[in-house]
Amino acid sequence: KNQVEQSPQSLIILEGKNCTLQCNYTVSPFSNLRWYKQDTGRGPVSLTIMTFSENTKSNGRYTATLDADTKQSSLHITASQLSDSASYICVVSPSGGYNKLIFGAGTRLAVHP
Amino acid sequence: EADIYQTPRYLVIGTGKKITLECSQTMGHDKMYWYQQDPGMELHLIHYSYGVNSTEKGDLSSESTVSRIRTEHFPLTLESARPSHTSQYLCASSEWGQGAWTTNEKLFFGSGTQLSVL
Repeated sequence: KNQVEQSPQSLIILEGKNCTLQCNYTVSPFSNLRWYKQDTGRGPVSLTIMTFSENTKSNGRYTATLDADTKQSSLHITASQLSDSASYICVVSPSGGYNKLIFGAGTRLAVHP
Repeated sequence: EADIYQTPRYLVIGTGKKITLECSQTMGHDKMYWYQQDPGMELHLIHYSYGVNSTEKGDLSSESTVSRIRTEHFPLTLESARPSHTSQYLCASSEWGQGAWTTNEKLFFGSGTQLSVL
């Protein structure tokens, strides 16, 4: 069964600190992996999209890595800010159709001053 | 900033009422989607459309219906709301990215409608 598992479920860090969120997936065949940021009560916003041939991709203070062999991805946040408090969702797209996106349950990040 | 709008943002209604959740996008996207999300849980696709007069059911069974009469408009209707329909409903649209065969489409979401059925 195609699944996306994220860890930790929730995380609290202090402002200015770095953190890394994990995503493991069992989706096959695999097309691409996406990370989204979802503020409370809002829709998700895309951070990165990576194909199987990409190992790392950055978007400002966000850096995503992908290991297609071990089916693992991580999202690293550098120098966290209060505005980084949100849920971070890992989404995997199997080959063969956009309607088949597989969503993780997300990691809820809280950045405290 | 994505130009996709959902109304209302919050809706509290009684059991048995008919409701329509509105979704409009001004980006000219052919593809539109409805997702359902419960707190702390993953998004589940309930409906999608690849263009005008095209609608399909998603992976999660839903008692709602959709229509796509115009490219920019994709409303979702519940004929008779029940407490089990309480959830957040997210509308999304997409454009083709680099190389359609890799399905690298960017997906843009609206802000969602939080529905509570009493």
